[in-house]
Amino acid sequence: QVQLQESGPGLVKPSETLSLTCNVSGAPIRSYYWSWIRQPPGKGLEWIGNVYSSGSSNYNPSLKSRVTMSVDTSKKQVSLNLSSVTAADTAVYYCARVLGFGVVVYFDSWGQGTPVIVSS
Amino acid sequence: DIQMTQSPSSLSAFVGDRVTITCRASQNISNSLNWYQQKPGKAPKFLIHATSILQSGVPSRFSGSGSGTDFTLTISSLQPEDFATYYCQQSYSVFTFGPGTKVGIK
Repeated sequence: QVQLQESGPGLVKPSETLSLTCNVSGAPIRSYYWSWIRQPPGKGLEWIGNVYSSGSSNYNPSLKSRVTMSVDTSKKQVSLNLSSVTAADTAVYYCARVLGFGVVVYFDSWGQGTPVIVSS
Repeated sequence: DIQMTQSPSSLSAFVGDRVTITCRASQNISNSLNWYQQKPGKAPKFLIHATSILQSGVPSRFSGSGSGTDFTLTISSLQPEDFATYYCQQSYSVFTFGPGTKVGIK
């Protein structure tokens, strides 16, 4: 059973870069796409992007200019960098495994999430 | 982007009730609609993909239907553990989620 565990600083200053990692176990990290999804306090879910071990990625156009995702297969980690953060980036950040094919794509396993507050 | 709406935004029901949640897409998304359940303070749990295919381990009281722009999630007999917020998600284009439907106890 796949297990995902997010980690990173819980507090980031405005204009700085938010950096999170997701440790993957129970599934071959090379075989899947991995995703980051966030949820602002009291609000709904927002997809940030997907990344594959080859480096192939696709990002939400609304965040694309600020997002970088990568996979470190040796460490079994998926990483998220979000630059130039503002208070609007305050959220719980989840990593998830991506399954599916064609236009049917879904997130079948999720980490517990890590809260990030953007504040000076 | 494809916009997703859900109705109602919240509902109250008794244990044993049949509950139906509607999800609507702003354009045709074929069958590329998925459902998740989220309890307070927890990560979302994947329930259904491709409109109607239940994830392994999800109780059969959950079912999904629809196509094109209109979709429904039905819980045939609400159980105490089903009180949660439910989100739909489309994967036809840039992935987007609905705003959620909170199912509460009456």
